[in-house]
Amino acid sequence: QKEVEQNSGPLSVPEGAIASLNCTYSDRGSQSFFWYRQYSGKSPELIMSIYSNGDKEDGRFTAQLNKASQYVSLLIRDSQPSDSATYLCAVNPDTGGFKTIFGAGTRLFVKA
Amino acid sequence: EPEVTQTPSHQVTQMGQEVILRCVPISNHLYFYWYRQILGQKVEFLVSFYNNEISEKSEIFDDQFSVERPDGSNFTLKIRSTKLEDSAMYFCASRGTVEKLETDTQYFGPGTRLTVL
Repeated sequence: QKEVEQNSGPLSVPEGAIASLNCTYSDRGSQSFFWYRQYSGKSPELIMSIYSNGDKEDGRFTAQLNKASQYVSLLIRDSQPSDSATYLCAVNPDTGGFKTIFGAGTRLFVKA
Repeated sequence: EPEVTQTPSHQVTQMGQEVILRCVPISNHLYFYWYRQILGQKVEFLVSFYNNEISEKSEIFDDQFSVERPDGSNFTLKIRSTKLEDSAMYFCASRGTVEKLETDTQYFGPGTRLTVL
């Protein structure tokens, strides 16, 4: 069974702080990794995709991938109250992209 | 900006009834997906569809479920005989164009909330 694991939280950070979200996955052959944001009652919204080991930055967001450790993380700098949401880690366990496995998500609260 | 649309936004049905959830993927996309999310739980993959056939399906996607692309724009999920446990949010997603066939980015629709009574 291919799994994606996340700490369910909630993670609470003050406004302006760095929020750090973590994810591990079980399928060592996974090639594509994603972070989605989901507001309550809404659909997942893609924040970042990452395919290679190392860091990838996009604005206030940095995704980090370590395939040897089967670990993906998301850093949110200068956290804002509007960042309060559930963050979903997702993995494509094969190269065809025909299936995406989601983690259960980490709830983030940013306190003003 | 193009987007995935889904109808209806909320469907209420009686146990044992058939329901059809409808999706209009982004027009030039080639891969289509259905996911479901039971309230408070994770997003679960149901099925993917490419070139007019199912590419992959999960254990959840049993004989009660079917998908169809009846024309050039719609992508439907049919649940033949609904059960209480089918109550969930169902999301459609699409990705990949002829020019960027292998792009992994999936675009999600707003979802249909299915309530089975």
